[in-house]
Amino acid sequence: GEDVEQSLFLSVREGDSSVINCTYTDSSSTYLYWYKQEPGAGLQLLTYIFSNMDMKQDQRLTVLLNKKDKHLSLRIADTQTGDSAIYFCAESGGSQGNLIFGKGTKLSVKP
Amino acid sequence: GAVVSQHPSWVICKSGTSVKIECRSLDFQATTMFWYRQFPKQSLMLMATSNEGSKATYEQGVEKDKFLINHASLTLSTLTVTSAHPEDSSFYICSASIGHLIGNQPQHFGDGTRLSIL
Repeated sequence: GEDVEQSLFLSVREGDSSVINCTYTDSSSTYLYWYKQEPGAGLQLLTYIFSNMDMKQDQRLTVLLNKKDKHLSLRIADTQTGDSAIYFCAESGGSQGNLIFGKGTKLSVKP
Repeated sequence: GAVVSQHPSWVICKSGTSVKIECRSLDFQATTMFWYRQFPKQSLMLMATSNEGSKATYEQGVEKDKFLINHASLTLSTLTVTSAHPEDSSFYICSASIGHLIGNQPQHFGDGTRLSIL
């Protein structure tokens, strides 16, 4: 079945770049997503990339997609303490059109 | 941008109570909405797919008589947890996509409902 894997924790210093990695199994996924979840809150769509793209940049966020290796990454430039949250990678390959989520990467930003 | 409103955001109630959670798409129509459940420090798991005007599709292991879903209009889906028990305590989140091409549009999520059953 479909599976999305991501590392559980990442710790960086304020001002550094953060790179969160994700691998997925469903090569037919049309879109791949990054969502942010702050404690006790819902999911905020950060960005998404269409499967025929290699890269997408949106202000401090850069998404890289290696479709051959089924690898997705999210780079956050100049990471701030407000970026501390859990970041979920998701792919659109669910049988009902739903998203399949990774377990989330907890990003901790140290001042 | 597309906004999904979920209400209530937090519910604390006694065991045996039924709880209704609403999910509304505020500025777009959603033929399909999804209900997910998230246990503490875990990922989101799809519970059911809510289709406007027809019966919901439940994932394996999800009791349809326990989690009643109604999608009466293109902007509203409701999840009712019937006779809730402590093991139903969880974070419930809905999502919706714009239009009919659910695989070709990003899903927008509500803020979630934290359900605590005493």
